[in-house]
Amino acid sequence: QITLRESGPALLKPTQTLTLTCTFSGFSLNTRGMCVGWIRQPPGKALEWLGRIDWDDEKYYTASLKPRLTLSKDSSRNLVVLTMTNMDPVDTATYYCARTQDGSGANQAFDVWGQGAVVTVSS
Amino acid sequence: QSALAQPASVSGSPGQSITMSCTGSASDIGSYDRVSWYQQHPGKAPKLLIYEVTKRPSGVSHRFSASKSGNTASLTISGLQAEDEADYYCCSYAGTSTSVFGTGTTVTVL
Repeated sequence: QITLRESGPALLKPTQTLTLTCTFSGFSLNTRGMCVGWIRQPPGKALEWLGRIDWDDEKYYTASLKPRLTLSKDSSRNLVVLTMTNMDPVDTATYYCARTQDGSGANQAFDVWGQGAVVTVSS
Repeated sequence: QSALAQPASVSGSPGQSITMSCTGSASDIGSYDRVSWYQQHPGKAPKLLIYEVTKRPSGVSHRFSASKSGNTASLTISGLQAEDEADYYCCSYAGTSTSVFGTGTTVTVL
């Protein structure tokens, strides 16, 4: 069974840095083609693709947030970390991590999602 | 990368079929057969319904089907049921290992 779970702070003040951890099981980020993506959803709004980290440690970010976003992984501990600097109230959202694959399986689709981490940015 | 355009809402009666569109560009939907669809019930994480334009993951009802023509993808729900009332999002690969989601469609079962 494949599972992912996001964890991190629920409340941040403006200008602070968000660090979210995605802990997963049932697959390995050492396996060629495996990737973990991050998606967020502001309250009442649409999903937004944020970025992806691949088995080979390549990282990809949405252009608008690239200066503020960093993804990293620890494959031995089955976790991926998202860091977003200079948080603003407009970054208030539910943040999801999800598994995806490159070149195999449900190619480029997010087939298993975490339950989401609600992050509020407010002074 | 601009969000894919979806109608804000679609409705239908139980048993009917409904179709929703997802319009992108030649840079995303038009260039790749990597369109996926997700169902999201309130307060829940999205669930994968369709990948690679037309493929259903194991366990997804055959009532869900999808297609693509040019820069537009479509999702059809046949035999609409009350449990289908949810938000639906399309997503497309957009090159250089990036993806883009749609604006979302709320399905109402009358």
